Amino acid sequence: DAKTTQPPSMDCAEGRAANLPCNHSTISGNEYVYWYRQIHSQGPQYIIHGLKNNETNEMASLIITEDRKSSTLILPHATLRDTAVYYCIVRARQGGGNKLTFGTGTQLKVEL
Amino acid sequence: NAGVTQTPKFQVLKTGQSMTLQCAQDMNHNSMYWYRQDPGMGLRLIYYSASEGTTDKGEVPNGYNVSRLNKREFSLRLESAAPSQTSVYFCASSVSAGRGDTQYFGPGTRLTVL
Repeated sequence: DAKTTQPPSMDCAEGRAANLPCNHSTISGNEYVYWYRQIHSQGPQYIIHGLKNNETNEMASLIITEDRKSSTLILPHATLRDTAVYYCIVRARQGGGNKLTFGTGTQLKVEL
Repeated sequence: NAGVTQTPKFQVLKTGQSMTLQCAQDMNHNSMYWYRQDPGMGLRLIYYSASEGTTDKGEVPNGYNVSRLNKREFSLRLESAAPSQTSVYFCASSVSAGRGDTQYFGPGTRLTVL
């Protein structure tokens, strides 16, 4: 699975959009970009995933650049409850192997 | 629908003691996983079970054993606990073992080994 690079921390004002970047310059054609988050002391929570098209669900939007070497997770109206560590994970959709490689993620702090 | 449940929530052991961490899911998922998370680090896979009756080693299997008791339950056993096994343990499940399947996590078991 391709390696990802994320900033260690970010701050966001409540009600504003939170844009979390992720670099994955070695991503290959069959690898998807997944985002999970972990709110303090809880189990990780799936947010969204995509291959090359932008994706949106009830939680967030995922923007993937045309060359697929980077992506941005957007929380459109961040709330205090969105304070968490956000993990960007790149993994292939087919084949064996079941490991989610989490890395250290981005600590997002949403403030009043 | 409780999702993934884990017991106990907290546990303190002395070096050399044994214990079993329990995990159950009610989503009819085929695959289940055990991860550990050390302070300030990401999760690392210990063992996984792609389907009932099968288990495979993950990244850090040493010192652990697992049992896939049935489709719902997947237990993790520490035969002789060591301080290096102090960690938070998360169980997860997914529809199948394909790399694309979303994993759903339990709330974790916080284990301290003295």
